[in-house]
Amino acid sequence: NAGVMQNPRHLVRRRGQEARLRCSPMKGHSHVYWYRQLPEEGLKFMVYLQKENIIDESGMPKERFSAEFPKEGPSILRIQQVVRGDSAAYFCASLGQANQPQHFGDGTRLSIL
Amino acid sequence: TQLLEQSPQFLSIQEGENLTVYCNSSSVFSSLQWYRQEPGEGPVLLVTVVTGGEVKKLKRLTFQFGDARKDSSLHITAAQPGDTGLYLCAGAMGSSTLGRLYFGRGTQLTVWP
Repeated sequence: NAGVMQNPRHLVRRRGQEARLRCSPMKGHSHVYWYRQLPEEGLKFMVYLQKENIIDESGMPKERFSAEFPKEGPSILRIQQVVRGDSAAYFCASLGQANQPQHFGDGTRLSIL
Repeated sequence: TQLLEQSPQFLSIQEGENLTVYCNSSSVFSSLQWYRQEPGEGPVLLVTVVTGGEVKKLKRLTFQFGDARKDSSLHITAAQPGDTGLYLCAGAMGSSTLGRLYFGRGTQLTVWP
């Protein structure tokens, strides 16, 4: 009865490198959401994907950030040319169908040196 | 701008005391969810309220959704050290919960033995 799986749990990158965060939704869930959490702040929505489609990316920075959810495999949040301000906890949530709650993974803590 | 305002931001109380956390907005939500988050982990769903005026009880926790569906409260009776954690409210807009969630900043609760 696996929940939402995120990896890696911790990721350290130097400025200018790329960061790839992976999220495997709960079994049977085709809706995936990415959120970012900074210290003492709530979660901020980034992007909502449904298998192979980006539904809402209004919370994602226009540059350096991209997300995908391929037909096979996990959802990927990619951050190119990372900067110190990208340091945060990134959470993925999945949902099976309308009017069900979102279930969250344990996040990836990204640290930029 | 924060769509959902949570108060208080920090709460430190003794075991056995009662407490209330508030989540307020000028916007109407189709549903509101309360999550609890432990350090290093993802948010875990406590409850979803969908009807204006709805009250739900979960053991010592009582959740209320305002009549106008703009605000909610979480009341804990006889708090215990195990209740310590970050409590987050999150609202959904629209006719279903397929869209993004809007989170409050959270209330960090510490219950001392």
